[in-house]
Amino acid sequence: GAGVSQSPSNKVTEKGKDVELRCDPISGHTALYWYRQSLGQGLEFLIYFQGNSAPDKSGLPSDRFSAERTGGSVSTLTIQRTQQEDSAVYLCASSPQLRVDTQYFGPGTRLTVL
Amino acid sequence: SQKIEQNSEALNIQEGKTATLTCNYTNYSPAYLQWYRQDPGRGPVFLLLIRENEKEKRKERLKVTFDTTLKQSLFHITASQPADSATYLCALSGGGNTPLVFGKGTRLSVIA
Repeated sequence: GAGVSQSPSNKVTEKGKDVELRCDPISGHTALYWYRQSLGQGLEFLIYFQGNSAPDKSGLPSDRFSAERTGGSVSTLTIQRTQQEDSAVYLCASSPQLRVDTQYFGPGTRLTVL
Repeated sequence: SQKIEQNSEALNIQEGKTATLTCNYTNYSPAYLQWYRQDPGRGPVFLLLIRENEKEKRKERLKVTFDTTLKQSLFHITASQPADSATYLCALSGGGNTPLVFGKGTRLSVIA
């Protein structure tokens, strides 16, 4: 079956522009996670969704970052007024439920802010 | 603050030998621990999960141990092959609704 997909795979943008990153989780997975991976760094947790609800937004680096999930499926991560330090690979993962479960990752979106 | 350390950034090993990767943590009481493999340009792929009340878990050539007293997990790949070359990440969770916390990973290179 289809895995987690993310689009675009690569995004180059100019400093100050807004970007939207999309994640399509595995069908039926209720939990969805966003991470950021900078060069040489581990995965930095950003936010998770249980259904359409995001109980904990404390991982978002600043108020320029926001995320939403609609219909318990697709999620969008929006970064407003991008900065060069936002350059990273943004990874999305989903799992059947938000508990002890394997997370299935998408291929990521590589964001480059010039 | 919570800290997860994976023993080295990179590890080189001869084909056929056993690779051992280490994951140490502090200021944390994980309910379970997971190991993932990440290839360049791809997202991590789940390998094994071990719970706090389990000492060891095996899957084919892979073995994971979990010592909550030492606050350490060891990840072993026996009879290593060049195809095992990748970055291996450990991840901890307190269980319930707490998300996974990942280490920075160890880049393993198996040399033929």
